[in-house]
Amino acid sequence: TQLLEQSPQFLSIQEGENLTVYCNSSSVFSSLQWYRQEPGEGPVLLVTVVTGGEVKKLKRLTFQFGDARKDSSLHITAAQPGDTGLYLCAGTPSNTGKLIFGQGTTLQVKP
Amino acid sequence: SAVISQKPSRDICQRGTSLTIQCQVDSQVTMMFWYRQQPGQSLTLIATANQGSEATYESGFVIDKFPISRPNLTFSTLTVSNMSPEDSSIYLCSAEDGSGNTIYFGEGSWLTVV
Repeated sequence: TQLLEQSPQFLSIQEGENLTVYCNSSSVFSSLQWYRQEPGEGPVLLVTVVTGGEVKKLKRLTFQFGDARKDSSLHITAAQPGDTGLYLCAGTPSNTGKLIFGQGTTLQVKP
Repeated sequence: SAVISQKPSRDICQRGTSLTIQCQVDSQVTMMFWYRQQPGQSLTLIATANQGSEATYESGFVIDKFPISRPNLTFSTLTVSNMSPEDSSIYLCSAEDGSGNTIYFGEGSWLTVV
């Protein structure tokens, strides 16, 4: 059983389109994080959300943490080829101290 | 922020042999973790490396196969024992900065077992 369900797992879109990636769980998380990973490299942290209902923006990326701290979303506006990569949500279930990852979303943005 | 260095970055190993991966952090950190990642897939937590005591393993991972050491607050090793082709993967070390909110990753060690 996957603790964090991430969807979609694959996404291929044209440059300029918008997209949203979802990360859902039945468990409550102390915090949720989003990472981006490029081939041959380790994951790089994009954002951490810790408060239910929190919204954070990073240029064209908007991250939201659900009110109940069980889900999160990543929205990319006007995607560019440079956004291509593997996007991973990860969360720390309450009182565990461990970081658990979703299945990942492979995004391809075609010029 | 913490900078994490892993060695080796890449290796090709013979079936039945063992390989030890080293992870060095440039500052003292409270928590260190080891993950496995199949190419193109997500990360699976192997274990939490505890300083001065035995590592805490996740379901499906055992100490005999993946012995881990953490002699101090900046260094840890993961050994992949008696390797088979199924162990071909990327192994990543990570460390928490103590705030509980930020975890940094090394660039990974790419192992191919032939």
